[in-house]
Amino acid sequence: AQKITQTQPGMFVQEKEAVTLDCTYDTSDQSYGLFWYKQPSSGEMIFLIYQGSYDEQNATEGRYSLNFQKARKSANLVISASQLGDSAMYFCAMREGQGTGNQFYFGTGTSLTVIP
Amino acid sequence: EAQVTQNPRYLITVTGKKLTVTCSQNMNHEYMSWYRQDPGLGLRQIYYSMNVEVTDKGDVPEGYKVSRKEKRNFPLILESPSPNQTSLYFCASRGTGTGGELFFGEGSRLTVL
Repeated sequence: AQKITQTQPGMFVQEKEAVTLDCTYDTSDQSYGLFWYKQPSSGEMIFLIYQGSYDEQNATEGRYSLNFQKARKSANLVISASQLGDSAMYFCAMREGQGTGNQFYFGTGTSLTVIP
Repeated sequence: EAQVTQNPRYLITVTGKKLTVTCSQNMNHEYMSWYRQDPGLGLRQIYYSMNVEVTDKGDVPEGYKVSRKEKRNFPLILESPSPNQTSLYFCASRGTGTGGELFFGEGSRLTVL
């Protein structure tokens, strides 16, 4: 079974609108971390936001928020007030287990295009 | 500046010619890892290392070797590259903050003919 599933290969959003990128995960661990990364066309991987499995509140970082629904095992990324510079590939990722180093699993990504 | 540096950034080689992609980080991170990115497959972990002289296989280790003799360096070795190893490779180290997010290098695009 896939550890991370992103079901939207491509998404379009109007500039200044909000958009939700879906991510579901699969783990039997009680302790895990969820991440979102942005990959612009230039290719680098940019960390956006983190949610720990024990965090009760949804994580927020500026225009990014993570809609964490533990029972449904979903960790959707919400981008508010989309900008042209948000056009990029977005990857959801999970780190299983505790400690300072474990395996990371990535989804297949969602390509977001912001329309002027 | 805190960074992860990979070299080479671009490489075209031929089947069977051994090559090494170097990775170095200046953040004193204990954890380092390698990924390959392929269209439609996302990023897949090749190897990771939790500390010097400690390495473990990720999801797709076949055809690759790694070593961790120093904390800052984590080279990826392709002993006998094949065309199916044509890919975009990322090295990353893991931070020690709350989330322990990965810091990525700029990527190395490898083509094996």
